[in-house]
Amino acid sequence: SYELTQPPSVSVSPGQTANIICSGDNLGDKYVCWYQQKPGQSPVLVIYQDYKRPSGIPERLSGSNSGNTATLTISGTQSVDEADYFCQTWDSSTVIFGGGTKLTVL
Amino acid sequence: QLQLQESGPGLVKPSETLSLTCSVSGDSIITSNHYWGWIRQPPGKGLEWIGAFHYTENTFYNPSLKSRVTISVDTSKNQFSLRLTSVIAADTAMYYCARANQGWRHDYWGQGNLVTVSS
Repeated sequence: SYELTQPPSVSVSPGQTANIICSGDNLGDKYVCWYQQKPGQSPVLVIYQDYKRPSGIPERLSGSNSGNTATLTISGTQSVDEADYFCQTWDSSTVIFGGGTKLTVL
Repeated sequence: QLQLQESGPGLVKPSETLSLTCSVSGDSIITSNHYWGWIRQPPGKGLEWIGAFHYTENTFYNPSLKSRVTISVDTSKNQFSLRLTSVIAADTAMYYCARANQGWRHDYWGQGNLVTVSS
């Protein structure tokens, strides 16, 4: 079965750029979306179809997908960006989530 | 504004059946061209997709849960439901219902219903 792999944690200083990666076989051939989840809240879609942002999502969040890796990039990271981030794709009639990455803004 | 709201018991005994309902307002399950589904999250862990249906197309289930899961719809109430049979402690989780838009992006989520499996 298809798997998506994410690092468990990423740390970034305020104002710096955070890159959260999501790896899978030929992931670049599939659409990837990203969710942000803060403690005690439901996940929120922040990126879909690799790089598109839903309305209301800040421009500092961006996405890319090529080869075996999709990347969520947060530029000028702020304390409000501290959260868990999950990537997701679709393969063989199944929705697949990555294990999640905890972003810490130090 | 689309809203989804889960409802159901918070405690289920091992070997019994977990049943949850998702009430949808602001969109029609029948006429919208979307999938509607369930996703769960064990405490402190990641997201696991359970399954989803489209009213006029297919229903898909996670292969790892397929033998125990049924998703059904009540069109008169604009609700859909989840049944998970023979539950075990590992089924303890927050259960979310969500709408899946084009490309399987889940753009609307319920607030979640925590279900604990314990005797």
